[in-house]
Amino acid sequence: NAGVTQTPKFQVLKTGQSMTLQCAQDMNHNSMYWYRQDPGMGLRLIYYSASEGTTDKGEVPNGYNVSRLNKREFSLRLESAAPSQTSVYFCASSVVGTGYGYTFGSGTRLTVV
Amino acid sequence: KNQVEQSPQSLIILEGKNCTLQCNYTVSPFSNLRWYKQDTGRGPVSLTIMTFSENTKSNGRYTATLDADTKQSSLHITASQLSDSASYICVVSEGGGNEKLTFGTGTRLTIIP
Repeated sequence: NAGVTQTPKFQVLKTGQSMTLQCAQDMNHNSMYWYRQDPGMGLRLIYYSASEGTTDKGEVPNGYNVSRLNKREFSLRLESAAPSQTSVYFCASSVVGTGYGYTFGSGTRLTVV
Repeated sequence: KNQVEQSPQSLIILEGKNCTLQCNYTVSPFSNLRWYKQDTGRGPVSLTIMTFSENTKSNGRYTATLDADTKQSSLHITASQLSDSASYICVVSEGGGNEKLTFGTGTRLTIIP
């Protein structure tokens, strides 16, 4: 089982450039999430999708947009990258209403220069 | 504000020794508490998950405890191995069905031969 797959694994952007981080899960999970992880801080939720067709803001949504393309795929877009968005981004998925099965991808390390 | 605090921030022990990591939380309402292991450059992987009624749970050499009255948890690692070198993250899930997670900043554990 692949679980949660994120692409790319590494990316360097110039300030102002745009890019989309891709995430796909093969566990038939309803809910999907995007987090960022910064040094000295816990993971923070950017956006989530409780089910196909819905998306909601998390704790730190500014500067990001998301698309729940179908049940499997949930993408995160940076329209105009800023150095403050340098971080490691994790996608996760889960079965709604249970803590079990909450699974993370391996992360995308993004540097904005 | 919901918070999860972990101690120590970092820990170095000799291979074969035991260690205990601590987690205090103020999340309310409480649904469950999870411990994750995060290897360098990888996503977090679940070790244990405990609900309000569970006060201990084991996963191999990992044993987690939960005291819901004092809002404290610990993760005990027995007979440490070099592969245990990682960050260990305590995560608390809110009740009420929204599954909102609050992450601790982690304890960085290094096992030396």
